[in-house]
Order: sequence, then C-alpha cells, then structure tokens
Amino acid sequence: GAGVSQTPSNKVTEKGKYVELRCDPISGHTALYWYRQSLGQGPEFLIYFQGTGAADDSGLPNDRFFAVRPEGSVSTLKIQRTERGDSAVYLCASSPALTSPASGGKNEQYFGPGTRLTVT
Amino acid sequence: AQKVTQAQTEISVVEKEDVTLDCVYETRDTTYYLFWYKQPPSGELVFLIRRNSFDEQNEISGRYSWNFQKSTSSFNFTITASQVVDSAVYFCALSEQNAGNMLTFGGGTRLMVKP
Repeated sequence: GAGVSQTPSNKVTEKGKYVELRCDPISGHTALYWYRQSLGQGPEFLIYFQGTGAADDSGLPNDRFFAVRPEGSVSTLKIQRTERGDSAVYLCASSPALTSPASGGKNEQYFGPGTRLTVT
Repeated sequence: AQKVTQAQTEISVVEKEDVTLDCVYETRDTTYYLFWYKQPPSGELVFLIRRNSFDEQNEISGRYSWNFQKSTSSFNFTITASQVVDSAVYFCALSEQNAGNMLTFGGGTRLMVKP
C-alpha cells in the first residue's frame, strides 16, 4: 500500500517568508509525528498528533512553528518568518493507533521521504 | 529524560565482513521501546526492528541480528556478511510509554561497505 507522502520534496524560500509543509500519512494510521533532521544529525521530535489534536508539541522550537491536522489525516507544518537556522529536512511519520505493544499493538513509526527546506 | 548514544559516527568495512553498531540508551521509564532505522542515501528512514523493554530475547532476521542487554542499557545491531547495499546511516531510537511514543534518536552511525 501507499506509504507516507510529503510535499513538496524541496522548498527554497527567502528569510522572513512563510512556508507550509504537507504530510499525508498511511491510511488508517491515527498517530502522526513531525521531526526535523539537520545535516549529520539524527531526527529531532517536533510535535505529534493523536487524531486531530496535538498531543505533544513540546519539541516545537518557538512560536513561529505551528502544525495542524484538522480532519485527523493530512497534516500541515507551518513556519512563519523563516530564518536560515530553520534549514533542515522535515520528516513526517505515522503509526497505527497507540495500542500498547504489551497488549500486542504496534507503535513503530513509518517515515515519509521528507521535505528539504532551504532558507536563503 | 531519555537519551540515545551511538558512539561510532562512521564505520568502514570490506564486503563480507561482519559489523556491529553500538547503541546505549538512558531512560527512567520502566516500559520503553527500542528501534533501529536505516537511512540509505535516498534519505528515507526505513524501519528495521522494534524491541520492547519487557522482552530481552535477541532477534535474528536474515543477516541482521540484535542484542538487547538491559543490564548495560544497550541495544546493539550486527550485520553478518555485509554487502555494499548495507551502506547507509543507521539510527537507534527510544520511545517511552509514558512520553507519548515520540522517538528520541541517537546521532547515527554511517556504515560504508566497500567492495
């Protein structure tokens, strides 16, 4: 079946501009995650949704970053007044309902190809 | 707070050699999950394995095997008879049941397998 998709694959923007990054999770996955990966580093958590609500946004670096998932499927990560330090690959992941693996559930996350954001 | 350390930043081997990638983790949670992901040059993270904290059985899948040692907080990954296609960056990650399942990644180990 179809995996996680992200658009655009590449985005170049000027400092100070607003950008939106889109994530389309695997059909039926209720949990959705955003991560940011800088060059040479591991991904860092930004925010995650369980259904439509943001269950944990503790990883968002500041109030310029915001994400929505209005219908519990597609999510959009929004960055206002972009800065050069925002340049990174933004990764989206989805996982099935958060049933505990202790109960036989699966919580592994499946990642999309990412959006490479370059702020000039 | 949770933390994952992959001390080896880069490893280079010749094809058919065995190689072990180290992963050490820190967590205060009693129920947690450990993962390995592969990131080939194409960039997409590929899920390899999940291990639950309450299950210390080691696992083998083809040329891949994983050694989970709770006593040393380690979750090492061995590739037997490495192949050029194994060249990638490998990430170890941790999630805690009480922390919403978000993944904390290590810094990654770049594996280069030369023909």
